[in-house]
Amino acid sequence: QVQLVESGGGVIQPGRSLRLSCTASGFTFSSFGMHWVRQAPGKGLEWVAVIWYDGTNKLYADSVKGRFTISRDNSKNTLYLQMSSLRAEDTAVYYCARHVAAGGSDYWGQGTLVTVSS
Amino acid sequence: EIVMTQSPATLSVSPGERATLSCRASQSVSSNLAWYQQKPGQAPRLLIYGASTRATGIPARFSGSGSGTEFTLTITSLQSEDFAVYYCQQYDNWPPRCTFGQGTKLEIK
Repeated sequence: QVQLVESGGGVIQPGRSLRLSCTASGFTFSSFGMHWVRQAPGKGLEWVAVIWYDGTNKLYADSVKGRFTISRDNSKNTLYLQMSSLRAEDTAVYYCARHVAAGGSDYWGQGTLVTVSS
Repeated sequence: EIVMTQSPATLSVSPGERATLSCRASQSVSSNLAWYQQKPGQAPRLLIYGASTRATGIPARFSGSGSGTEFTLTITSLQSEDFAVYYCQQYDNWPPRCTFGQGTKLEIK
């Protein structure tokens, strides 16, 4: 079955960097675009970034543009989110999600919590 | 940037009744609209895409309608497991940028 497992979250000081990973299984990872979506504690969902199936196209929310980088390694079935210059407002659960060509994201990971605090 | 606005913020409905949730886009998104359900401590679950197509395994009591800027998610005969937070999401065809609404909490009356 399709599985997405995020890792790499934790407590990090403001201004530092952190890399999240999302390991996929149960489907042909290299055939799907992938998203990162985050959710601050007690708040709604915020789309962060998307990368196309072959990594050639990437888009970012304005709130993270220039600080976050989405990438993927299709040989390892893994999606990444490199986060730098972290701020307190980046504190959130970060989800990876599979993009569906027909619309929306049909599979999501369980999320990994990133806490930016001194 | 397209802004998605959901109403109401909280909806109180009794089990067995119908719930109607609204989502409005600041500009036309055609039918590029999805609905998600999220329960506490869980990841979102895709319910509807293309404004009105149920995702795999979603019960028929969930239905979506609308196009352009006005969308509705209707849940008939509410079951206990339906009480959750619901989000709408608009997505561009290409590139697939997305925007979520702020959510509607569906609670038991």
